[in-house]
Amino acid sequence: DTEVTQTPKHLVMGMTNKKSLKCEQHMGHRAMYWYKQKAKKPPELMFVYSYEKLSINESVPSRFSPECPNSSLLNLHLHALQPEDSALYLCASSQDPGQGREQYFGPGTRLTVT
Amino acid sequence: GENVEQHPSTLSVQEGDSAVIKCTYSDSASNYFPWYKQELGKGPQLIIDIRSNVGEKKDQRIAVTLNKTAKHFSLHITETQPEDSAVYFCAASMGFQKLVFGTGTRLLVSP
Repeated sequence: DTEVTQTPKHLVMGMTNKKSLKCEQHMGHRAMYWYKQKAKKPPELMFVYSYEKLSINESVPSRFSPECPNSSLLNLHLHALQPEDSALYLCASSQDPGQGREQYFGPGTRLTVT
Repeated sequence: GENVEQHPSTLSVQEGDSAVIKCTYSDSASNYFPWYKQELGKGPQLIIDIRSNVGEKKDQRIAVTLNKTAKHFSLHITETQPEDSAVYFCAASMGFQKLVFGTGTRLLVSP
């Protein structure tokens, strides 16, 4: 089983709202990732958590705040977003953070900022 | 940093034909090369991968080849079917944890 689940599937929020995206995996993976994907573009890495600790932040604006409450869960807290932040937000996981580990993606959350 | 180029950007084939998508990477230290298929409204799905100690890998109708000297790797799909229609992304592993993706190829298989 290589399933990564994400909720919600769709989210519409105003620029003053606070919302959160949730990601879950039960494969015992110890590395989890957030990617952003704009239309007709490849996924772009935002954050990496290794063993529940933030290991990579790709210079993401502070209006995006990741959290890893435990080894199965990954959240992305959103606050004061801009319309240009509208995109598909993808979560992925891998067995561990070592090089060459297969990354498995969830279905994504389609975010629209109005 | 690592840069991955992918060609073609779009590829149209007839059902039953073969399709080939090519990628070039820049960082000779990269040693892991996955391919993802993304259908409309879905997340990327890992379909095959190859590591630098292997020159070719095959899984039923799909195969991947790697030329480390030229820093090229390619995806080959034989006997294409309409359900193969999707966007395909190549990627290269740039150090621990980081994947750098190519720009994507939209494959359309016509019945």
